[in-house]
Amino acid sequence: AQSVTQLGSHVSVSEGALVLLRCNYSSSVPPYLFWYVQYPNQGLQLLLKYTSAATLVKGINGFEAEFKKSETSFHLTKPSAHMSDAAEYFCAVTPSGQGAQKLVFGQGTRLTINP
Amino acid sequence: KAGVTQTPRYLIKTRGQQVTLSCSPISGHRSVSWYQQTPGQGLQFLFEYFSETQRNKGNFPGRFSGRQFSNSRSEMNVSTLELGDSALYLCASSLWGPADTEAFFGQGTRLTVV
Repeated sequence: AQSVTQLGSHVSVSEGALVLLRCNYSSSVPPYLFWYVQYPNQGLQLLLKYTSAATLVKGINGFEAEFKKSETSFHLTKPSAHMSDAAEYFCAVTPSGQGAQKLVFGQGTRLTINP
Repeated sequence: KAGVTQTPRYLIKTRGQQVTLSCSPISGHRSVSWYQQTPGQGLQFLFEYFSETQRNKGNFPGRFSGRQFSNSRSEMNVSTLELGDSALYLCASSLWGPADTEAFFGQGTRLTVV
């Protein structure tokens, strides 16, 4: 079954520094990969989605992610962190075949931004 | 355009009771999914409905059930509540399904079982 693993449950960076949140997917190439963000007391919001059209995917709020098949990775990056980026981030995948219309989430990474 | 509305936002129930949570999707969206979020298990898929039919179901006991109405509004029911059912329940709506079209999440219903 398709799954994703997020490395690091907590990541802390300084304002203005590079943000790197790690996500690895299970060995078979998934149909779609996603990054979602959850702010406190809110639902999830889609940041970006990989659909195999391009390996570098640009999302909202300056985030982007690169699909690397050789590393089975889909890491999320942002060149310069802003205080408003503090939130929890989830990598997700959709299964292939029957039952594809669901999201399988990683455990999440809580991002803290230090002033 | 109104977002996904979940009611109620907060709920406290006693062990053994049952509870019904409601989700109103974005107008025109036909797919509604439900997820349970807990600190220990993270986000887990419960079920997905499309045009009143359950299309996918997660690995939850039969105490968890749902339905979707002709106007796409959805409800989920949990019977014989257990302490472990305490969680944030999130609903997501999308046009055709979360794999193919963007899923928009509600703010969730926080259920506490005492």
